[in-house]
Amino acid sequence: GENVEQHPSTLSVQEGDSAVIKCTYSDSASNYFPWYKQELGKRPQLIIDIRSNVGEKKDQRIAVTLNKTAKHFSLHITETQPEDSAVYFCAARGGGGGFKTIFGAGTRLFVKA
Amino acid sequence: ETGVTQSPTHLIKTRGQQVTLRCSSQSGHNTVSWYQQALGQGPQFIFQYYREEENGRGNFPPRFSGLQFPNYSSELNVNALELDDSALYLCASSTLQGGDEQYFGPGTRLTVT
Repeated sequence: GENVEQHPSTLSVQEGDSAVIKCTYSDSASNYFPWYKQELGKRPQLIIDIRSNVGEKKDQRIAVTLNKTAKHFSLHITETQPEDSAVYFCAARGGGGGFKTIFGAGTRLFVKA
Repeated sequence: ETGVTQSPTHLIKTRGQQVTLRCSSQSGHNTVSWYQQALGQGPQFIFQYYREEENGRGNFPPRFSGLQFPNYSSELNVNALELDDSALYLCASSTLQGGDEQYFGPGTRLTVT
């Protein structure tokens, strides 16, 4: 069945450094790849997304890249700040008219001041 | 915050009982998806409703069922509760024909004892 693998499970960086989270997906028909940030006890919040016809998208300190051939996509956070500390989830939505969204297991990011 | 609301916030049930969780979608959204998020894991897709009909289902047994009403609000029903059903249940609303983004509610924390 469909699967999304996410690495690393935990990431600790110094404030100001960059953080990179990588995901791979199995369903080649997937066409939409959102990233969510979830703070403790709160709902997942969409932070950036990318569609299968785009290779890269940037929004201020956050960027996402997509390699459809390799079925890889990555989240890049530059100039990290303590408030970036949270759990980040990648996800892939199936294509072919289905809207089943498969989430990765999450990456717990710690930004040390 | 999104306009998606869920009730109740917390719920404690005994194994074998039945539970109903409720979700009100964001204004203008006609699609609701339900997810189960166990502690320390990513959300798992349960099913999606579009215009009062199930539009996709994940790997959950039939004792997980749902409804969507004409105002696009939705219910998740779980029969014969098991200990492993303890989790955060999230609903997310979106427009199937419009954008891909889905917006999550705050979740219902279900504990089965």
